[in-house]
Amino acid sequence: KQEVTQIPAALSVPEGENLVLNCSFTDSAIYNLQWFRQDPGKGLTSLLLIQSSQREQTSGRLNASLDKSSGRSTLYIAASQPGDSATYLCAVSLSYLSGNTPLVFGKGTRLSVIA
Amino acid sequence: NAGVTQTPKFRILKIGQSMTLQCAQDMNHNYMYWYRQDPGMGLKLIYYSVGAGITDKGEVPNGYNVSRSTTEDFPLRLELAAPSQTSVYFCASSWGGPTYEQYFGPGTRLTVT
Repeated sequence: KQEVTQIPAALSVPEGENLVLNCSFTDSAIYNLQWFRQDPGKGLTSLLLIQSSQREQTSGRLNASLDKSSGRSTLYIAASQPGDSATYLCAVSLSYLSGNTPLVFGKGTRLSVIA
Repeated sequence: NAGVTQTPKFRILKIGQSMTLQCAQDMNHNYMYWYRQDPGMGLKLIYYSVGAGITDKGEVPNGYNVSRSTTEDFPLRLELAAPSQTSVYFCASSWGGPTYEQYFGPGTRLTVT
């Protein structure tokens, strides 16, 4: 059974610092991996989607990498800002042929960027 | 383009009551999903649909029912609400299957007492 783990569970950094969030998964047979942002009391916003054939994706100050063979992904946030404070979730997609869990989520990393 | 909308935003139910959580999307997406998120946990899939008239169970379907009569709407029905169903419910949609990006609604916060 696919399991997704995110470390650390919470992280507090001063504004301007570069930071890395980690995501690991137990089964490397994935289609893709997505990083989401969730603000308190809000829904999820997709940040980056990396297909299994890709190594990384970039969007602005965000860079996500994927090492499928080792079951790891990282989300790099450059020059962090207080507005980046949120919970970041990663999720891996499985083959829909394998049944009823097309997306498996980690529990998230709660990020606080202190001004 | 409203994306994925959910109603209501909040609801309190008594044990044994029933209700329907509404979800609609205006992106002409084929796939729609219902998730629940318990405090400090990741999202778990309740039901999903690959198109109008087609639904299938997810990881935690017990106590819920769904229907998909149109491409746009995917309501989630709770029958005989129980305290274990206290959670935040998210609806999502995607153009294709799991390889496509999922778009999420703002969620419905449900408390069963």
